[in-house]
Amino acid sequence: SQQGEEDPQALSIQEGENATMNCSYKTSINNLQWYRQNSGRGLVHLILIRSNEREKHSGRLRVTLDTSKKSSSLLITASRAADTASYFCATVSAGGTSYGKLTFGQGTILTVHP
Amino acid sequence: GAVVSQHPSRVICKSGTSVKIECRSLDFQATTMFWYRQFPKQSLMLMATSNEGSKATYEQGVEKDKFLINHASLTLSTLTVTSAHPEDSSFYICSAAPPGGYSPLHFGNGTRLTVT
Repeated sequence: SQQGEEDPQALSIQEGENATMNCSYKTSINNLQWYRQNSGRGLVHLILIRSNEREKHSGRLRVTLDTSKKSSSLLITASRAADTASYFCATVSAGGTSYGKLTFGQGTILTVHP
Repeated sequence: GAVVSQHPSRVICKSGTSVKIECRSLDFQATTMFWYRQFPKQSLMLMATSNEGSKATYEQGVEKDKFLINHASLTLSTLTVTSAHPEDSSFYICSAAPPGGYSPLHFGNGTRLTVT
């Protein structure tokens, strides 16, 4: 079952602006990951944050994790038209194997206008 | 380059026929692979966990006899949609777990199945 809920469902911004997507989950997690999916394609891993971490950075990406609120956010700074895609959060449940099955959120469709 | 190859990328078949989808890990041996299904503009739903040399573990509500999974080698898992019907039309994506037991998973590019 899907435990992740993401908002907004769709986000439309201009190139150069920042994009923030949020993800909430219901059960305790081992880690939370963010993936990107271009239309009709597979998923590309963006960043992983473990349950004992609060913030991680990777290039223009910044992820935060608040386990007390069971929520995470993905910030993309200085967005580009090429960032247009769907973004999904996915969790690995606590107690499972580290590469255990992922439970995906509903996703945010990001459109960056040039 | 891609570390997980999924084939075919698109397939159209007639109702009642069976379709086989292959998922290969190219750069590593994958003892575990996962099969997901995705409806248009929706999230990915885990169908089953494919374990090399043993039976797949199916998620609740997924018909084992409908979606046959075979993981005969450390680099290949196959999903066969048997007696396909139009409601089986969907986007199927596989992923493989690299050795060492840590995420992230590597995903194939998906297979768009259309059953007419």
